[in-house]
Amino acid sequence: AQTVTQSQPEMSVQEAETVTLSCTYDTSESDYYLFWYKQPPSRQMILVIRQEAYKQQNATENRFSVNFQKAAKSFSLKISDSQLGDAAMYFCAYNPVNDMRFGAGTRLTVKP
Amino acid sequence: NAGVMQNPRHLVRRRGQEARLRCSPMKGHSHVYWYRQLPEEGLKFMVYLQKENIIDESGMPKERFSAEFPKEGPSILRIQQVVRGDSAAYFCASSQGLYNSPLHFGNGTRLTVT
Repeated sequence: AQTVTQSQPEMSVQEAETVTLSCTYDTSESDYYLFWYKQPPSRQMILVIRQEAYKQQNATENRFSVNFQKAAKSFSLKISDSQLGDAAMYFCAYNPVNDMRFGAGTRLTVKP
Repeated sequence: NAGVMQNPRHLVRRRGQEARLRCSPMKGHSHVYWYRQLPEEGLKFMVYLQKENIIDESGMPKERFSAEFPKEGPSILRIQQVVRGDSAAYFCASSQGLYNSPLHFGNGTRLTVT
């Protein structure tokens, strides 16, 4: 079975601080995509960052970066310099070939 | 404890045909969301429904697309007169409707228009 696990239902961070959201997945595939999605109160799912499994280098998008450990099947999201607008649900997703699997989500609260 | 069920898993339609995608929410969930994902792109919100009501359809194309969530039965996303640009993965998610309720996603329906 191909599953995605987010073990932190809720996380909290102080504004301007750094927070890391965890994600693990289970797969027998060797090539796939991994994503982090953000869902703010507007309910729209926003792609935050993506990682291709065959790329060794960790993806980075401005204040967002990932720590991708392929052997450990781990894909954590680090948010630096947290802002109030970062408060949202964050979903980790695994996609072998356009066959998306999502984690249950982590609710991030940003304290001013 | 069944999760969100979407069917069919894969759907092939010729241009001009109709596509019907079904979504059964998790037990106890009365809110359903439909998203579309084009290849290598993020999910795009389409529509948000409660039982017998469309709450937000701001992401739905104005023509050919419609959605419903009847009192009984699954939510249906209907695409009339499909075109090749409709080829995508369509995801359904459900929730209890509270802001702090997580979305539970189905596995998606992959629509291919030939």
